[in-house]
Amino acid sequence: DIQMTQSPSTLSASVGDRVTITCRARESINNWLAWYQHKPGKAPQLLIFEASTLESGVPSRFSGSGSGTEFTLTISSLQPDDFATYYCQQYYSYWTFGQGTKVEIK
Amino acid sequence: EMQVVESGGGLVQPGGSLRLSCAASGFSVSSNYMTWVRQAPGRGLEWVSVIYSGGTTYYTDSVEGRFTISRDTSRNILYLQMNSLRAEDTAVYFCARDRSSPGPFKYFYMDVWGRGTTVTVSS
Repeated sequence: DIQMTQSPSTLSASVGDRVTITCRARESINNWLAWYQHKPGKAPQLLIFEASTLESGVPSRFSGSGSGTEFTLTISSLQPDDFATYYCQQYYSYWTFGQGTKVEIK
Repeated sequence: EMQVVESGGGLVQPGGSLRLSCAASGFSVSSNYMTWVRQAPGRGLEWVSVIYSGGTTYYTDSVEGRFTISRDTSRNILYLQMNSLRAEDTAVYFCARDRSSPGPFKYFYMDVWGRGTTVTVSS
């Protein structure tokens, strides 16, 4: 299994803040990485695939970057609807998720 | 609109069985890769099983030999048959459709998810 490690586990931020979440793979996954947003009781939502491609309908304040083993998800200006848990996922070899980053209100 | 809705969760004793269903609309279950993912209480997401459009199946090690993924083409439903359930199988189970990356290299990620169904294994 390709282990994925996210940091931080929890992030406290205010509306309007720029937020960055990091995801590291134990081995190279090229750019086969997705980011998801998940809120309690809701369906997870695909935000980004291929490390940096924004899914249709996702606001442009979300962006992704990286390749190989290190990746980031950035929210340029945090909005009230963005308080949620975010997961990275590698899909290079089967599928594994990071442990999640909870973005909470500061 | 593409949608999946899971059902079939509940409380079951250790060693028992349960069958989860995932009803799809707006696309064909048999023409797509379909996946089950779970989230144990207080934990993150964990991939459980996949069925390819051609019928090949794969499982995470912890459920291999106990869980079976299948589909009903005529009803457009995905299933997860869970046998010999253990306390550590307690989780919310999500169904998802897999989509392939554009371009020549076909790698699959999940683009349509359901809200999940809760499975509790306890005596």
